[in-house]
Parts: sequence; C-alpha cells; structure tokens
Amino acid sequence: SQKIEQNSEALNIQEGKTATLTCNYTNYSPAYLQWYRQDPGRGPVFLLLIRENEKEKRKERLKVTFDTTLKQSLFHITASQPADSATYLCALSSGAGSYQLTFGKGTKLSVIP
Amino acid sequence: GAGVSQSPSNKVTEKGKDVELRCDPISGHTALYWYRQSLGQGLEFLIYFQGNSAPDKSGLPSDRFSAERTGGSVSTLTIQRTQQEDSAVYLCASSPQGASGEKLFFGSGTQLSVL
Repeated sequence: SQKIEQNSEALNIQEGKTATLTCNYTNYSPAYLQWYRQDPGRGPVFLLLIRENEKEKRKERLKVTFDTTLKQSLFHITASQPADSATYLCALSSGAGSYQLTFGKGTKLSVIP
Repeated sequence: GAGVSQSPSNKVTEKGKDVELRCDPISGHTALYWYRQSLGQGLEFLIYFQGNSAPDKSGLPSDRFSAERTGGSVSTLTIQRTQQEDSAVYLCASSPQGASGEKLFFGSGTQLSVL
C-alpha cells in the first residue's frame, strides 16, 4: 500500500543550526512533492513545491531536495530561528494530472534559543 | 484579499446529533477540498469540488458524511448522527484551478468535538 513517512514526530535543534526534515514514501510515483508549515490552531501554509524532474529547490533559508531513486525528500532550514518552530508536512501527488494530495503526519520542529 | 474562511472555529456536539461545517473559499478559486486531521494523524482527504463537475467523494468515510457546494463558491460539510470517532479538525482548502501541482490555500479549520 502507499505510504508516506516523515522521519520523526519531533525534532529539537539549537537556534542558528540547520534543521533537516525527511519525507520518505513507498509505492508512489509522485509527479511532485510539496512542503507545508502548520502552526497550532491554524491550517497548513504552502512553502515549496518540487517536481519529479527537479533535484533541488531553494527559497530564502529553505531548501528542498527530491530523490526519486531513494524515494525521499529532504527539507532544510538554514540559520534556524525560534520563529521557525512549527509542524512541517510533506504532501505527494499520486501522479501527473492528479489534484489529490496525500499528506504525511508531519514533524514538529522546535528551535531552541 | 481574504483567505479561506471556515465556521464555526469550534463545535461541540453530542453523539447522535447532526452538524454542519461551512467553508468560504478564496474568491475566484474553482477548486475546493475538504480534509480531516485527527490527533497524531496526517491530513485525510474527504472530498473535492471542481467547478460544475461532479465532486470526487472517494474520501468520505461513511454515508453519514456529505458535502455540497452552492453556486461554485461556499461549501457545507454535513455529518449526520455524529460519533465520537468523528472528533477531529476539519480543514477546507481552495486552489485557483485544481490543476496538478497547484498549491492549496487552507482555512484555519473547525475543531469538532463529539461528546
């Protein structure tokens, strides 16, 4: 069956360090992968999208990689700040032309001052 | 402009009662989605509306759940004869066209508690 796993439920890092979150999937051939940020009591907010033919995408302090051989995406936040503390969700499209996203359970990131 | 608006933000109901949850998408967005987020679980797809096309109801967990979208805008998710396992956050999202790869704009959700 199709499965999405985010490496850990919670990740604590020191302010200024790089946070790395992992999203692994099985039995998928996703056309693209998205990352969202969710704060308590709020809906997810879109951060980045990466397509299957792209290896890396950057936006300010954020970087996403996508390895379709390893079936894995890495999400990096460089120079992390306490304001980056939130839950981060990865989401996959089940295929080209598909509107339906399947979400992982998320990783709760805490950046400690 | 305004984002996706959901109401109520919180709803407490008794087991067996019916509830209606409302979603007001971003103006001009033709695609509308309902997701459910239970504690410790990922977002679970429920239903998708795109323009005047028949909705994709494949994610609805039982026939107690239904949704409609009037005039291509506001949507209502109805849960009949609520059960305790229906307790969750119900999230609505919209996107401009519902095309593959489009980012979703989410509302803040309705926290439903069934006692």
